[in-house]
Amino acid sequence: EAGVVQSPRYKIIEKKQPVAFWCNPISGHNTLYWYLQNLGQGPELLIRYENEEAVDDSQLPKDRFSAERLKGVDSTLKIQPAELGDSAVYLCASSKGGLAGGSDTQYFGPGTRLTVL
Amino acid sequence: GDSVTQMEGPVTLSEEACLTINCTYTATGYPSLFWYVQYPGEGLQLLLKATKADDKGSNKGFEATYRKETTSFHLEKGSVQVSDSAVYFCALRNTGGFKTIFGAGTRLFVKA
Repeated sequence: EAGVVQSPRYKIIEKKQPVAFWCNPISGHNTLYWYLQNLGQGPELLIRYENEEAVDDSQLPKDRFSAERLKGVDSTLKIQPAELGDSAVYLCASSKGGLAGGSDTQYFGPGTRLTVL
Repeated sequence: GDSVTQMEGPVTLSEEACLTINCTYTATGYPSLFWYVQYPGEGLQLLLKATKADDKGSNKGFEATYRKETTSFHLEKGSVQVSDSAVYFCALRNTGGFKTIFGAGTRLFVKA
């Protein structure tokens, strides 16, 4: 079974430029997560989707970040314009969904490492 | 709010040494607790979990016991291998919740 796929793996851009990250979750997984991981830190949730609906986007900086999950499968996370402080690893994860607490295992992609110059 | 604190790294051990990585948590209610591992260049993988007090999670020789009285979930392994070199993250997810809170991670280096 293929895991969570993310692209690109690395991205270097100038500040104020736009950037987009793509995620393809595991087939059949209804829940999709985008996390931000700063250097030396654990992942922090940006947004969670249940199918195509964003059910928790409280941590997403909506002035410059946007996300979509058309048709409830693939997802795209966008930053426009990027700032120096956005340099980090952006992780996508998916799970079967529908179960709270410890019953729903998340599977993570390898992440996209963004460097903003 | 909920939080996870784990020991700072890096931790450097020789092969076959014993490993303990400390993790404590603060949470309302009764969270599920997790250890994730991140190998170089890869995504986080679930290593083990425990969903209630006194449960012991185990996998690949690693163990952790959910201690409610000390709010701890320390990761242990009796004999580490070079291939265990990675970053280990302790995490919690509250009952009825969908948000996972991660610790800062502890990097482990195992020397041959």
